[in-house]
Amino acid sequence: TQLLEQSPQFLSIQEGENLTVYCNSSSVFSSLQWYRQEPGEGPVLLVTVVTGGEVKKLKRLTFQFGDARKDSSLHITAAQPGDTGLYLCAGSTSGTYKYIFGTGTRLKVLA
Amino acid sequence: NAGVTQTPKFRVLKTGQSMTLLCAQDMNHEYMYWYRQDPGMGLRLIHYSVGEGTTAKGEVPDGYNVSRLKKQNFLLGLESAAPSQTSVYFCASTPGGGPEAFFGQGTRLTVV
Repeated sequence: TQLLEQSPQFLSIQEGENLTVYCNSSSVFSSLQWYRQEPGEGPVLLVTVVTGGEVKKLKRLTFQFGDARKDSSLHITAAQPGDTGLYLCAGSTSGTYKYIFGTGTRLKVLA
Repeated sequence: NAGVTQTPKFRVLKTGQSMTLLCAQDMNHEYMYWYRQDPGMGLRLIHYSVGEGTTAKGEVPDGYNVSRLKKQNFLLGLESAAPSQTSVYFCASTPGGGPEAFFGQGTRLTVV
């Protein structure tokens, strides 16, 4: 059973545009992570959010954890071709060490 | 600074054959995980281990077995490979079960 649903599944935009990727669940997560994966590589951690309502910024990337800790979003401002990749959210529910991944959003930024 | 190393990187198996995937980490991490990645499915947890000598089932454990005889190694076995096990397999480790997972580069397995 996939606990984390991401949308959109695919996104192709022009350089300079803004975008938002969503990660939703019916479960409450003790923490939630965002990863980026490039072809032929394993996922690389971008950020971890742990507090409901928390907002973290990483250069042009803004991550938000929902107040109820059931959802998260990733917003990219002025996307660049280097942002191209597969974005994955992941999280664990309280009391477990089982990190579950979302279905992924494949982003392509065209120059 | 190797991090997490997976071997082999590519493999083709015939249906019914067996094989073992090896994951080795040099970061002294307690927790290790095996995932499979299929198009449109993200990563799905197969098995995981919270320490040497322990293993537990994840979301999709059927058809796989694992062993953690040494802290630095986590082995994933396929006793009788099936075409449905064609996938890219990733190993990951975390220190103390914390949220930052370090991944290997993956093993692309094709079962024909």
